[in-house]
Order: sequence, then C-alpha cells, then structure tokens
Amino acid sequence: GEDVEQSLFLSVREGDSSVINCTYTDSSSTYLYWYKQEPGAGLQLLTYIFSNMDMKQDQRLTVLLNKKDKHLSLRIADTQTGDSAIYFCAENESPPRGQGNKLTFGTGTQLKVEL
Amino acid sequence: KAGVTQTPRYLIKTRGQQVTLSCSPISGHRSVSWYQQTPGQGLQFLFEYFSETQRNKGNFPGRFSGRQFSNSRSEMNVSTLELGDSALYLCASSPGTSQETQYFGPGTRLLVL
Repeated sequence: GEDVEQSLFLSVREGDSSVINCTYTDSSSTYLYWYKQEPGAGLQLLTYIFSNMDMKQDQRLTVLLNKKDKHLSLRIADTQTGDSAIYFCAENESPPRGQGNKLTFGTGTQLKVEL
Repeated sequence: KAGVTQTPRYLIKTRGQQVTLSCSPISGHRSVSWYQQTPGQGLQFLFEYFSETQRNKGNFPGRFSGRQFSNSRSEMNVSTLELGDSALYLCASSPGTSQETQYFGPGTRLLVL
C-alpha cells in the first residue's frame, strides 16, 4: 500500500491560523481529502481537492496541493477552540483508477487550540 | 437526508466469539466501505461493496467478511475474535459511480476481552 504521512501534533492559539501538512506517495490519486475526527466520533469530511487543482478555498479552510512534491496542506484561518480535533488527510487509491473507493489515511494530526 | 447509521454503537465480546456489525448508507448511495481504526495501526481499509458485490479489498485475514443487501445496507462479520480486533469500525457510503467523496458513520466500538 501507499504511505501517507502527517505530523502528530500541532498547538495553536485561538484566532491564529493553523497549517496541517501531509505527504502522499500515490501520484495517480485523483482526489485528496481532509477529514476531522472529534473524540468518540466518526470522520467528518471537511474538504477535498481534485488532483488537477493547486488550491481550493472553502470559508475558513484553504487546501494547497503541490503535485511535484506530493505535498498537501490544510490551512484553517481564525482557529477556534471548536477546531480542536484530529485531522486526517486521505488519498483514494482504488485500482484500477475510477472504479471504487479505497482510501489510504495519514496517521492524523492532533490539533490543540489554546485560549 | 439522514446520514450513515451504524449499529450497534458499542459492543463487548470475548475471544473466539463472532460479531456482526451493520451499516445503513445515505439514501441513494450504492457503495459501502468499511474501515478499522486502532491506536496502533490507524485507519485501515477493510473492503468496499457496490451493488451487492465486493469491489475492493484490503489486507485483512479471511476472518473478516462482509456482504451487501439489495437495499445497499451492509454488514460485516468477524469470526473467531482476537484481542487485536478491538477497534472502532467505521462505515462510509458514496454514490458509487467512481472515485468520489465518502461520508462516514459514527462507528461501532468493539471491545474484545
């Protein structure tokens, strides 16, 4: 399988911006995703980006994709205490391409927002 | 639209037993995928079902199996439970036509004693 890597922890102050990074290895991935998981809960889809895009903005969220370096980032503007959670990036590595869904997830980044 | 629902939410079993978990996808979604989440291994793909057929499979032993019904509801079964099967089992649904966004349920937390 392919490896998707993330840093384990990030701590920011309320009101600051948070940037969560991810590196992936499957250059054939068509979609890359960001999910949020709060304690005891399932995964909430935050946003996704198509592989032919460099950037996608959705309210406080900005996703940047660098295909050359296989690097994906999620920026959260004006981070709030309610943003404290684990954030997972994921790539869809379903083979052959276009048939089905098989997500490979990163290890997750624990975001802690301090007052 | 109602989201993905999973039952039961919590389950305690003993080693050697078997367990069946259920997942109801979002109305109109035909693809259901299952994932296992553990502290040690993270989130791992188990299998995906589409139109009652297994379409993709992860690297899990044959003790893990699943099926999908004509109404797209899916079940997964784990036989001869081991302590290491303790995990959060997540189900996700999507329309099913191609690589696309998956929506997750709240999960079933299984504890094997």
